[in-house]
Amino acid sequence: KQEVTQIPAALSVPEGENLVLNCSFTDSAIYNLQWFRQDPGKGLTSLLLIQSSQREQTSGRLNASLDKSSGRSTLYIAASQPGDSATYLCAGAVFQGAQKLVFGQGTRLTINP
Amino acid sequence: DGGITQSPKYLFRKEGQNVTLSCEQNLNHDAMYWYRQDPGQGLRLIYYSQIVNDFQKGDIAEGYSVSREKKESFPLTVTSAQKNPTAFYLCASSFNRVEFDYGYTFGSGTRLTVV
Repeated sequence: KQEVTQIPAALSVPEGENLVLNCSFTDSAIYNLQWFRQDPGKGLTSLLLIQSSQREQTSGRLNASLDKSSGRSTLYIAASQPGDSATYLCAGAVFQGAQKLVFGQGTRLTINP
Repeated sequence: DGGITQSPKYLFRKEGQNVTLSCEQNLNHDAMYWYRQDPGQGLRLIYYSQIVNDFQKGDIAEGYSVSREKKESFPLTVTSAQKNPTAFYLCASSFNRVEFDYGYTFGSGTRLTVV
């Protein structure tokens, strides 16, 4: 059974810093891994999707990596801004007729001006 | 614009009452999903549907029911058998085909409160 863990649970950094959020998963037969952002009281916004055959994906200041052999993914945020403050969720997919996402509990990120 | 629409945004349920949460997508996605989010517990899968007229239980299906009569729609009913229904409910959809792996798209959620 796929289990996903995110560390740290919360992170507070000053504006402008580069930072890394960590995600680990137990089943290396992962179909894909997706990073989401959630603002308070809102739904989930997809940030990056890494398919199982890929090693990383980039979008603007965000870069996500996937290492299936070690069961790890990282989300790198460059030059952080106060608008990046949100909860970041990592989810690993297993394919059983449909993609079933298993979520970590998230990292609550605060960027201080 | 393509996307997923959940309604209502807020819903209040009295004890012993059934309520239905709506989820509609215009992304031509094959599969649809319902998740429940509680503080400190992350998202848990309630039900999912791969194709029309077919659905499977997720990890916490007790006290919930669904239907999938149309590809675009996947309503969730929270029945009186669900003893602790207060939560944030999220609907999502995706393609089923490997060649169309674009991940999940989520709706904006429905917050259900028991009064």
